Amino acid sequence: KAGVTQTPRYLIKTRGQQVTLSCSPISGHRSVSWYQQTPGQGLQFLFEYFSETQRNKGNFPGRFSGRQFSNSRSEMNVSTLELGDSALYLCASSLVQGDTGYTFGSGTRLTVV
Amino acid sequence: GQQVMQIPQYQHVQEGEDFTTYCNSSTTLSNIQWYKQRPGGHPVFLIQLVKSGEVKKQKRLTFQFGEAKKNSSLHITATQTTDVGTYFCAGFSNDYKLSFGAGTTVTVRA
Repeated sequence: KAGVTQTPRYLIKTRGQQVTLSCSPISGHRSVSWYQQTPGQGLQFLFEYFSETQRNKGNFPGRFSGRQFSNSRSEMNVSTLELGDSALYLCASSLVQGDTGYTFGSGTRLTVV
Repeated sequence: GQQVMQIPQYQHVQEGEDFTTYCNSSTTLSNIQWYKQRPGGHPVFLIQLVKSGEVKKQKRLTFQFGEAKKNSSLHITATQTTDVGTYFCAGFSNDYKLSFGAGTTVTVRA
C-alpha cells in the first residue's frame, strides 16, 4: 500500500511569505501529526489531527496552523515566514490514535531566505 | 509538560561491539515507541512497548520498558554498519501526545 505522501519535497521561500504543506496519510489512517525537525532541536511536535479535529498542539506560535479534511488529508500553513522556520517538516499518520506507532512521510524541506 | 530525555546523544561504536541507549520520561507513559532515522531519511517505526517491565527483541535489538513505565532502553548487540542512524524513543501519554527524545546518533567504525 502507498505510504505517507508529503508535497512538495523541497521549498524555498522568502522571509515574510506564507507556505502551505500537504500530507496524504496511508489509506484508512485517521490520525495525522506534524513535526518540525532541525539539527539543534530534534523532532518538535506541532499538532495532531484526528477525524478533522485538532486534538493536540505543541508549543509553536500562532503563525503555524493546520487542518485535516474529511478524507484525512492534512495541510499545515506557516504565515509570515522567519529564517528560523527553515527545517524539515514531517507528517506522520496512524490508524487510530497514534498509540500503535506512526508512519512518517519523507518530509518537506523548507528553506527560508 | 511531558519531557523525554535520551542519552547518549552520540554513540561511536566499533563494528561488532554492543551498545545501549537510554530513555527517561518525567511522567508515566501509556507506551513507548522507538524509531530509527537513517541519514537523509525519515523516522521509521521499530517497535512499541506497552506493559510494565516488557522486553521485546528484534534480531540483534533488545527493547525494554521500565517497571514504572517511565524509562526504556534499546540494546544493540554485534553492531553492524547497517545500524548507522539516529534512534529516537518517543513516549505516548494519556492525552494522545507523542513526545520524542533528542535521539542517539550512532556511527560505526569498520
